[in-house]
Amino acid sequence: QKEVEQNSGPLSVPEGAIASLNCTYSDRGSQSFFWYRQYSGKSPELIMSIYSNGDKEDGRFTAQLNKASQYVSLLIRDSQPSDSATYLCAVIILTGGGNKLTFGTGTQLKVEL
Amino acid sequence: EPEVTQTPSHQVTQMGQEVILRCVPISNHLYFYWYRQILGQKVEFLVSFYNNEISEKSEIFDDQFSVERPDGSNFTLKIRSTKLEDSAMYFCASSGTGENQPQHFGDGTRLSIL
Repeated sequence: QKEVEQNSGPLSVPEGAIASLNCTYSDRGSQSFFWYRQYSGKSPELIMSIYSNGDKEDGRFTAQLNKASQYVSLLIRDSQPSDSATYLCAVIILTGGGNKLTFGTGTQLKVEL
Repeated sequence: EPEVTQTPSHQVTQMGQEVILRCVPISNHLYFYWYRQILGQKVEFLVSFYNNEISEKSEIFDDQFSVERPDGSNFTLKIRSTKLEDSAMYFCASSGTGENQPQHFGDGTRLSIL
């Protein structure tokens, strides 16, 4: 059973549009949720963290969490070509206190001119 | 802005040899982690380290692997008797006080086993 699921994409959006990235998770013990951006050949870069139901905004990015539906999303407004990357959803499941991050496979985003 | 640093950026090793990957976590962070990413696959957790001991490890982290904090700044991953399938990007990460804090990743070490 996959713990964190994402559509692999690619998701193509025109420059200036809103990109919507989605993630579902299977373990109801999940308590912390993160979005990372990963450019090809590079390391994951933290974009957003969210811990409680609702929306959290940071600049052009909005994270949305719905624990009842086990769903977390990332909206990118005014998408730019530099946003083209793979976006990784990651969760921490309450286990033995090790803060283990479980990643999804990532969604590739392409922002087209 | 503080960052996690990893050395070397690329390590090429013959199968069967031992490698040590090095990391300097962010200075005031207390939790340290190793992850790996095989080419084209997802990022996988290996081990977490807190208060000078392993707090959690995955099934990947078997007796071939070990971690150490030899001094106040470095955090190392040792892989003994390397195998071809150990070829991957290895990322070190660290996070601050308290559980569930965001983890910040280093640039990674690309390990190639020949």
